[in-house]
Amino acid sequence: DQQVKQNSPSLSVQEGRISILNCDYTNSMFDYFLWYKKYPAEGPTFLISISSIKDKNEDGRFTVFLNKSAKHLSLHIVPSQPGDSAVYFCAARSSNTGKLIFGQGTTLQVKP
Amino acid sequence: DADVTQTPRNRITKTGKRIMLECSQTKGHDRMYWYRQDPGLGLRLIYYSFDVKDINKGEISDGYSVSRQAQAKFSLSLESAIPNQTALYFCATSDVTQSSYNEQFFGPGTRLTVL
Repeated sequence: DQQVKQNSPSLSVQEGRISILNCDYTNSMFDYFLWYKKYPAEGPTFLISISSIKDKNEDGRFTVFLNKSAKHLSLHIVPSQPGDSAVYFCAARSSNTGKLIFGQGTTLQVKP
Repeated sequence: DADVTQTPRNRITKTGKRIMLECSQTKGHDRMYWYRQDPGLGLRLIYYSFDVKDINKGEISDGYSVSRQAQAKFSLSLESAIPNQTALYFCATSDVTQSSYNEQFFGPGTRLTVL
């Protein structure tokens, strides 16, 4: 039973355009949501997070939006750059255990 | 300098063999984790440890065991490897005092193939 789902395995966008990566969750006990980025042959690295009490968090080109009623979050990258090409994982923190639950990942390709 | 290191980086073994994956960290974090990554399944938690005397099972612990030898070291063992344990394995650390959302820092991964 996948509590955190990324339904798009891959996404391809043109350099300079917006990339939108989506994530859905089922557990109302999640209190934080995180995005990780992973390059080949490297471990995932933290990108941005959002608390469940907020609906938006912005860090440079990266913005995460949270819609609690829909149990949906999205990561916007504007403008997209070729160096953003990577696998992006959505993760949710369980408030009662502190553990992170990860989605399946979305592979983003930004074409020059 | 890598803060979280994993050895070996690649390993090919045969069914039934015992194998150990090792993780070391210089971040001074109390919490350590082992995950595996499979295509289409993302990262799944195998075991985690909140301090040296604390070991907890994750969602897919069957067939695995761990040892927390020191604050800086957390090893994962496959007592009798089977082909469906072929995966990419990641170690991660976190410090509860640094962030409330449990940001975790990952090692570079170990690619394990069981023939």
